[in-house]
Amino acid sequence: EAGVAQSPRYKIIEKRQSVAFWCNPISGHATLYWYQQILGQGPKLLIQFQNNGVVDDSQLPKDRFSAERLKGVDSTLKIQPAKLEDSAVYLCASSRLSGSFYNEQFFGPGTRLTVL
Amino acid sequence: DAKTTQPPSMDCAEGRAANLPCNHSTISGNEYVYWYRQIHSQGPQYIIHGLKNNETNEMASLIITEDRKSSTLILPHATLRDTAVYYCIVRGPHSGNTPLVFGKGTRLSVIA
Repeated sequence: EAGVAQSPRYKIIEKRQSVAFWCNPISGHATLYWYQQILGQGPKLLIQFQNNGVVDDSQLPKDRFSAERLKGVDSTLKIQPAKLEDSAVYLCASSRLSGSFYNEQFFGPGTRLTVL
Repeated sequence: DAKTTQPPSMDCAEGRAANLPCNHSTISGNEYVYWYRQIHSQGPQYIIHGLKNNETNEMASLIITEDRKSSTLILPHATLRDTAVYYCIVRGPHSGNTPLVFGKGTRLSVIA
């Protein structure tokens, strides 16, 4: 099966500009996650969707970050305006929704954002 | 915050076994130990998970101590392609679709 797709792979912007990232999860995966990974650290959850509803956005800086998954399939993550500390890799992951106690999360390759 | 402690880096000779340790001294009786790895410029990839018994799959073996306060991921014959950051993660029994909480992991370098 096709993996999680993300675009663009790289983006360079200046501070105070806006940027958007796109994610297409694995077909049939109801749950979608956006993680932020700062250089030298492990990924940190920003937001989790189940179908088109938000499950957890407690770590999302809502004054500048927004995300949507309107039709319960692909998703976009936006930053407006960007700050220098937003330089990171933004990872999208997806998993099935089932009664299993564990559903493996599949990650995309990520988008590397550099804010100058 | 991550509930695990791992060494920041390790080296391993190609063809030898790589043994990656993880401390999780505060693990609860019903929490599982998961391992993911992240190869450069890729997203994390699931390797293996276990509760208290040793587990083995096509990628690796997981050894959990009897008191469950630590574990070791074993790559039996490391290759250059195993060079990556390895994350040890503790999760509850009904994690279902809960997000993963990553620490800084161990950077494994496999040397020819």
